[in-house]
Amino acid sequence: EVQLVESGGGLVQPGGSLRLSCAASGFTFSSYWMSWVRQAPGKGLEWVANIKEDGSEKYYVDSVKGRFTISRDNAKNSLYLQMNSLRVEDTAVYYCARPVVYWGQGTLVTVSS
Amino acid sequence: EIVMTQTPLSLSVTPGQPASISCKSSQSLLHSDGKTYLYWYLQKPGQSPQLLIYEGSNRFSGVPDRFSGSGSGTDFTLKISRVEAEAVGVYYCMQSIQLPITFGQGTRLEIK
Repeated sequence: EVQLVESGGGLVQPGGSLRLSCAASGFTFSSYWMSWVRQAPGKGLEWVANIKEDGSEKYYVDSVKGRFTISRDNAKNSLYLQMNSLRVEDTAVYYCARPVVYWGQGTLVTVSS
Repeated sequence: EIVMTQTPLSLSVTPGQPASISCKSSQSLLHSDGKTYLYWYLQKPGQSPQLLIYEGSNRFSGVPDRFSGSGSGTDFTLKISRVEAEAVGVYYCMQSIQLPITFGQGTRLEIK
């Protein structure tokens, strides 16, 4: 059974940093592109970033370019999202996803003073 | 960026009645590989999105045959032949033919 379990969310002040993790199981992690998708409270879905199977290609939505970094450790079956210079508008539930089928349950990031 | 436009934004449906949601993309979602990169998701209250339809018209494993997807190019439709209580939630269309991946605004379905 495919499982994606996010962790690392929490409350952070504007300008702060946070690192999200996603533990994957039930499939050959190193064989799949992986993504982060977010959802602001009461709002719709927004794709954030993609990373290729071997980590050699990474893509970001314009609003997080230069602030967020997606990475992965295939030996640990783990996906990461390093978030720096956080803004209030980054407040959202962040989902780890194996496109297009599988999603985790999400981890809440709140950026507030 | 491909803009995805869903209509309506909300639906109130009597149990047993049909429902239909439209999704229009600002560019064709038909790839040169012959696939159409359009997906439909349902996000039930308090849950993460679940895939209903992939590549425009293919029902995902375990999805009841009450759900069907159709369309081509830039115009797509999700139909529910008979709405049941379990259909309550927000429906999203999504395109992945071009980065950034983009979603429709969502259509909220409630039961009358």
